[in-house]
Amino acid sequence: DGGITQSPKYLFRKEGQNVTLSCEQNLNHDAMYWYRQDPGQGLRLIYYSQIVNDFQKGDIAEGYSVSREKKESFPLTVTSAQKNPTAFYLCASSSDRRGTGELFFGEGSRLTVL
Amino acid sequence: GQSLEQPSEVTAVEGAIVQINCTYQTSGFYGLSWYQQHDGGAPTFLSYNALDGLEETGRFSSFLSRSDSYGYLLLQELQMKDSASYFCAVRASSGATNKLIFGTGTLLAVQP
Repeated sequence: DGGITQSPKYLFRKEGQNVTLSCEQNLNHDAMYWYRQDPGQGLRLIYYSQIVNDFQKGDIAEGYSVSREKKESFPLTVTSAQKNPTAFYLCASSSDRRGTGELFFGEGSRLTVL
Repeated sequence: GQSLEQPSEVTAVEGAIVQINCTYQTSGFYGLSWYQQHDGGAPTFLSYNALDGLEETGRFSSFLSRSDSYGYLLLQELQMKDSASYFCAVRASSGATNKLIFGTGTLLAVQP
């Protein structure tokens, strides 16, 4: 089945450590996105990529980094510079051949900093 | 700044109709989407309106008024499984991108 796979589902990290969240899609979508969701809040855009080897900052990119070396993969690194990293992270993809407002989301990764 | 406003919570009974409103203020506007998210799960796409008017998809309908910067999601014949958070989201960029700005969500509780 086509879809988006995020891993790990749950992750615990000590302060000062970097952590990388995986996102893989087999939908052949051009664009991929990372959103952050805090309890009771909406989704805020961290980074997005419309094409391989290119990505753009979203609204809250500070303390995060990404890469897009393959069309299928868009990993997110939460660095020690991110002041409040505990959150639910959602990866999404879309076919950007036309703007349809439709994103396909993974099941999310819940990061807790101890 | 850019903002989308939705009610934080709505309660309704099974079988009823509920309307979730969304007003937006963004630097650009190319369409309004609606997503459903069950607790701890992935958001799923419900609808997208780029033009004024009503779009119907089964029990769900979505409406847009661009002149009023306003839209709503209408859920009919409510079922218990409709209990979830609902987010409106604006496509604020031109070109072939689905970069979306999300509202803070409306928690819908359906009671028996």
